[in-house]
Amino acid sequence: QSALTQPRSVSGSPGQSVTISCTGTSSNVGGYNYVSWYQHHPGKAPKLMISYVSKRPSGVPDRFSGSKSGNTASLTISGLQAEDEADYYCCSYAGTYSVVFGGGTRLTVL
Amino acid sequence: QVQLQESGPGLVKPSETLSLTCVVSGYSITSGYYWGWVRQPPGKGLEWIGSLYHNGNTYYNPSLRSRVTMSVDTSKNQFSVNLNSVTAADTAVYYCATLFDSTTFDHWGQGTLVTVSS
Repeated sequence: QSALTQPRSVSGSPGQSVTISCTGTSSNVGGYNYVSWYQHHPGKAPKLMISYVSKRPSGVPDRFSGSKSGNTASLTISGLQAEDEADYYCCSYAGTYSVVFGGGTRLTVL
Repeated sequence: QVQLQESGPGLVKPSETLSLTCVVSGYSITSGYYWGWVRQPPGKGLEWIGSLYHNGNTYYNPSLRSRVTMSVDTSKNQFSVNLNSVTAADTAVYYCATLFDSTTFDHWGQGTLVTVSS
């Protein structure tokens, strides 16, 4: 069960948009609409930002959006704010009640 | 609002068994969520360890399956993980969490650091 592939880092200036990709296979990302995204500030608990590829939980700003095409899912953050600086992880269902995470992407707000 | 709190030794010796418990409050462990463990080694990403349902059904990461056991105690509203034959590579912050649909983690504990060292 290999980790999903994410870029190690992305960056953007306040107000700009950034997109983080998450590439898997037809056995995980491409095979199910169960991709979720988590924001993780060091020393804190991860926070669910997107579920079911593109659904935002209550309380998550609409600046965060998710999508999927084939074996690649994406998280887009528009109108970047300083507090968005964090690590972001994708996660996909991989069948038989198992899940797999991406390697994580460090977002830097310049 | 469901709250989770991990507890257990912060230091485990190599070759021994790591044991952690997650106490659930504000929600009955039998009410429908799946319950899971995730870890993060220092400087690395998140890794799913396993998930379980209140009926005792368990599902493990294939890479850890030979060493991990998860269980639930409905009378105490808590669930646990045991990882045997630990090495330094098992040093990590361990999180417990709820999963809905067995696919998505929505509530997390604060995490507990477990160091494997003699």
